[in-house]
Amino acid sequence: TQLLEQSPQFLSIQEGENLTVYCNSSSVFSSLQWYRQEPGEGPVLLVTVVTGGEVKKLKRLTFQFGDARKDSSLHITAAQPGDTGLYLCAGYSNYQLIWGAGTKLIIKP
Amino acid sequence: DTAVSQTPKYLVTQMGNDKSIKCEQNLGHDTMYWYKQDSKKFLKIMFSYNNKELIINETVPNRFSPKSPDKAHLNLHINSLELGDSAVYFCASSQGIVWGNEQFFGPGTRLTVL
Repeated sequence: TQLLEQSPQFLSIQEGENLTVYCNSSSVFSSLQWYRQEPGEGPVLLVTVVTGGEVKKLKRLTFQFGDARKDSSLHITAAQPGDTGLYLCAGYSNYQLIWGAGTKLIIKP
Repeated sequence: DTAVSQTPKYLVTQMGNDKSIKCEQNLGHDTMYWYKQDSKKFLKIMFSYNNKELIINETVPNRFSPKSPDKAHLNLHINSLELGDSAVYFCASSQGIVWGNEQFFGPGTRLTVL
């Protein structure tokens, strides 16, 4: 069974701080996606990474795919209250997305 | 303008009842999905349809039956509801089953079984 483990499960920090959340697996994925989910809504795609070692930036968010395509990280610089949400990673394998359990992030003003 | 819509948003019902959740997408996508998100926020795929054909059918009780009348709709019917069915159910769609495609999610249906 393929699993994606996300850490930490919960993170609460002050506005302006930096943070990194992780998504790890023992399996190789064709691609990996990061989604953000806000309360009462469905997840929304942030980024898709495909190539091992790939780095993508989305404003203050930096996503990295591990060289072996088994893990990924999301780094947020100078976090803002608007970054609050549940961050989910999901890896593609056999035509379906395998989802991590998410990191719940709270940014306090 | 809603891309993926679900009805109802909230559903409260008694154990043993039968209920349906409807989903529609106006994105012209070929593939639609049903997910269950439990209280710990874990998203689990239940079903996936591509061009109205069932392509993913995870280990889900027979009480759950999806129906896709056309590419734009994927409904979920649940028979004999149980307490453990309480969760948020998300419908999603994507352009196809090719890896890397973005999945667009509906707002979710919060089902509470009493």
